[in-house]
Amino acid sequence: NAGVTQTPKFRILKIGQSMTLQCTQDMNHNYMYWYRQDPGMGLKLIYYSVGAGITDKGEVPNGYNVSRSTTEDFPLRLELAAPSQTSVYFCASSMMGEGYEQYFGPGTRLTVT
Amino acid sequence: KNQVEQSPQSLIILEGKNCTLQCNYTVSPFSNLRWYKQDTGRGPVSLTIMTFSENTKSNGRYTATLDADTKQSSLHITASQLSDSASYICVVRNMGAQKLVFGQGTRLTINP
Repeated sequence: NAGVTQTPKFRILKIGQSMTLQCTQDMNHNYMYWYRQDPGMGLKLIYYSVGAGITDKGEVPNGYNVSRSTTEDFPLRLELAAPSQTSVYFCASSMMGEGYEQYFGPGTRLTVT
Repeated sequence: KNQVEQSPQSLIILEGKNCTLQCNYTVSPFSNLRWYKQDTGRGPVSLTIMTFSENTKSNGRYTATLDADTKQSSLHITASQLSDSASYICVVRNMGAQKLVFGQGTRLTINP
């Protein structure tokens, strides 16, 4: 099993550009999550999904969109990149919700200039 | 407000020495607490989970403690190795919530 994979690993965007961060898991987990990690700060939840076709906002959803058409994939869309979105983005998945371990991908380092 | 505070922010010790990392939380109602290890450039990996009824749990050289009354947890690392250099993140879950509250992490550096 590859676990949780994310692409790309690094990306530099200009202000106003758009991009999609890809996330795929091969563990047949129902729950998937997107977090951002800013330097010296804890991970902040952007969006999460409890199954295909179901998504919900987390703590910091503004400026982002998600979709979940399959169990495996959970892409994160940035429509109009802003410098405040410079961060490291982590995708995670878990079998169920409460009490279950989350498995994280390797992260995508995004810089918006 | 649900918060998780970790201390120290960073710690440098010599290889072979022991260390203890602290986690204080105000998350309520409490469900469980996990310690994650995050190597540089990688995603976090779970080390151990503590539930309300557990006081101590070991995973090799890592020992986690939980005091649910004072809402404190610690992670003790014994006989540190160079590979222990990483950030250690304390994560607390609300009862019934799908969302977690993350601490900011402690950056541990092991020097030879």
